[in-house]
Amino acid sequence: QSVLTQPPSASGTPGQSVTISCSGGASNIGSRTVNWYQQFPGTAPKLLIYGNNQRPSGVPDRFSGSKSGSSASLAISGLQSEDEADYHCAAWDDSLNGWVFGGGTRLTVL
Amino acid sequence: QVQLQESGPGRVKPSETLSLTCTVSDGSMSFYYWSWIRQSPGKGLEWIGIYYKESTNYNPSLRSRVTISVETSRNQFSLRLSSVTAADTAVYYCARGGNLDRWGQGTPVTVTA
Repeated sequence: QSVLTQPPSASGTPGQSVTISCSGGASNIGSRTVNWYQQFPGTAPKLLIYGNNQRPSGVPDRFSGSKSGSSASLAISGLQSEDEADYHCAAWDDSLNGWVFGGGTRLTVL
Repeated sequence: QVQLQESGPGRVKPSETLSLTCTVSDGSMSFYYWSWIRQSPGKGLEWIGIYYKESTNYNPSLRSRVTISVETSRNQFSLRLSSVTAADTAVYYCARGGNLDRWGQGTPVTVTA
């Protein structure tokens, strides 16, 4: 059971927009920033969004993040087939004094 | 760009100790946080522990069995997990920084007799 809650799956057609939610609590998302990671099968997670809404160099601006209270969202616009992957949210937890993750959302591009 | 590479045995017997090493390609070990994270088959990511400037902290669920250590001169940090069971079967990743901005490719570990 993951500390952060994500839907197990999401889907969309090419060109559409999709949003993935991540829900936490006061000790993590409520008081800390949120990161998002993209993971393709058989590979390591890759940082996609940090600090709630910042993109590392090389990440397309089709990917955006937001946070409100103890919840966060990852939005992907102009969906492409290569976006099909697992997406994980993460935040530092002040009670655990460590990282907590969501269970991951598998995005399917129909 | 910094590279992280995990290494260690792919199989460990139940009740034995799992030992993994992460080698960092540059000399940046003194400047960053370093974490171990694992992913059980078909499941989400689980934080194991973190090292920063001679201080460590571990996931409470694993604390009694985990040790993370660093050899800065060799650009390596290591994970030891004792008394393993089948539940410890996972892909183990090392990751850098306060944002986990760089990850190793991961090393699969199977606990089996």
